[in-house]
Amino acid sequence: SQTIHQWPATLVQPVGSPLSLECTVEGTSNPNLYWYRQAAGRGLQLLFYSVGIGQISSEVPQNLSASRPQDRQFILSSKKLLLSDSGFYLCAWGLTGGVSSQPQHFGDGTRLSIL
Amino acid sequence: GQNIDQPTEMTATEGAIVQINCTYQTSGFNGLFWYQQHAGEAPTFLSYNVLDGLEEKGRFSSFLSRSKGYSYLLLKELQMKDSASYLCAVRNTDKLIFGTGTRLQVFP
Repeated sequence: SQTIHQWPATLVQPVGSPLSLECTVEGTSNPNLYWYRQAAGRGLQLLFYSVGIGQISSEVPQNLSASRPQDRQFILSSKKLLLSDSGFYLCAWGLTGGVSSQPQHFGDGTRLSIL
Repeated sequence: GQNIDQPTEMTATEGAIVQINCTYQTSGFNGLFWYQQHAGEAPTFLSYNVLDGLEEKGRFSSFLSRSKGYSYLLLKELQMKDSASYLCAVRNTDKLIFGTGTRLQVFP
């Protein structure tokens, strides 16, 4: 069966510090991978998605970036965090190839607090 | 543009039935998903609709009308553990566009 791992679970960082969040998927090949952010009491905002190694699409302009160095690894990064980067970050995977009925599956999330 | 609307909050009593509505206007449509999200946790998949009509899955049912851009999630025999946020999401090619979610509180 497929599993998705995301870490760390919580993170407290000072403004201006760098960030690296990692997500890995097991049990499937060539998944679509996604990074979302959820502000307190708000819906999920898609930040980045990837349909293959090295292929990254950015959905919103911001000071975050994403990379996919391996098929089942997705990394969210920042060189300098802003206060507005606080939130709940979720990684998700889905099947590629237009299998519309298959849902995206989420990792447990990282709660990021910027001080 | 992409717009998905849900009520922000709802309350209901244990054992009752509640209907959570979702209306959408999106540039593309490849199906509609409902997710449940307990506070501080990741969303979990509840249901999927791509054709008009009702899909039933135990205590949960979901309805879709594509011509009206409308869906609802129906929860029967409410239990305290159903207190959570319910997220409506429209699939557009490989992406999901989420609404802001409806926070449901179930009272004894």
